[in-house]
Amino acid sequence: AQSVTQLDSQVPVFEEAPVELRCNYSSSVSVYLFWYVQYPNQGLQLLLKYLSGSTLVKGINGFEAEFNKSQTSFHLRKPSVHISDTAEYFCAVSGSGSARQLTFGSGTQLTVLP
Amino acid sequence: DAGVTQSPTHLIKTRGQQVTLRCSPKSGHDTVSWYQQALGQGPQFIFQYYEEEERQRGNFPDRFSGHQFPNYSSELNVNALLLGDSALYLCASSLALGSTYNEQFFGPGTRLTVL
Repeated sequence: AQSVTQLDSQVPVFEEAPVELRCNYSSSVSVYLFWYVQYPNQGLQLLLKYLSGSTLVKGINGFEAEFNKSQTSFHLRKPSVHISDTAEYFCAVSGSGSARQLTFGSGTQLTVLP
Repeated sequence: DAGVTQSPTHLIKTRGQQVTLRCSPKSGHDTVSWYQQALGQGPQFIFQYYEEEERQRGNFPDRFSGHQFPNYSSELNVNALLLGDSALYLCASSLALGSTYNEQFFGPGTRLTVL
């Protein structure tokens, strides 16, 4: 069984400041890790993914995440946020392999303040 | 490419009724997964369909059932609706075969309200 814990339910940050959204996971098997973003009244959009290889993963919109196997973490970072980054962010895990089900965390609401 | 489409957008039902939600996958995709997202929560996996059969299932009661058609579109059926079934229902499509990982693309969801 797999589980995901997003440590902060809400993160307010001022525009152009850096941000880190924290995610920890547990699994007894090899996993793939993901970050999704959800804007109001929309579905989920993939920001980035870790499948294997380099532990630093770069995604869309200037986001990046680092996979830390020893700490079972996959924290999302952005060096300078914009108002348009305001959204709900979900960390997710799946077993390795094709088309596996995703297990999501409870989400972090990022609010960028002017 | 229209991406993943879902219908209807919103739906209001009363307790005890039955509901059917529909999903058309992204062009070229053959696998459809359904997720339930309660208010303020992350999505939870309901089940996945491939080759018109349920391949994986999450921890949901038998009141939740589904179907996949030869054109790969899918339906989610929920019987004997409960207030707790109120949620955003997300459909995701992917390609089963090929590379070791195939991204799931999500639709905009159907907002179900049970009164």
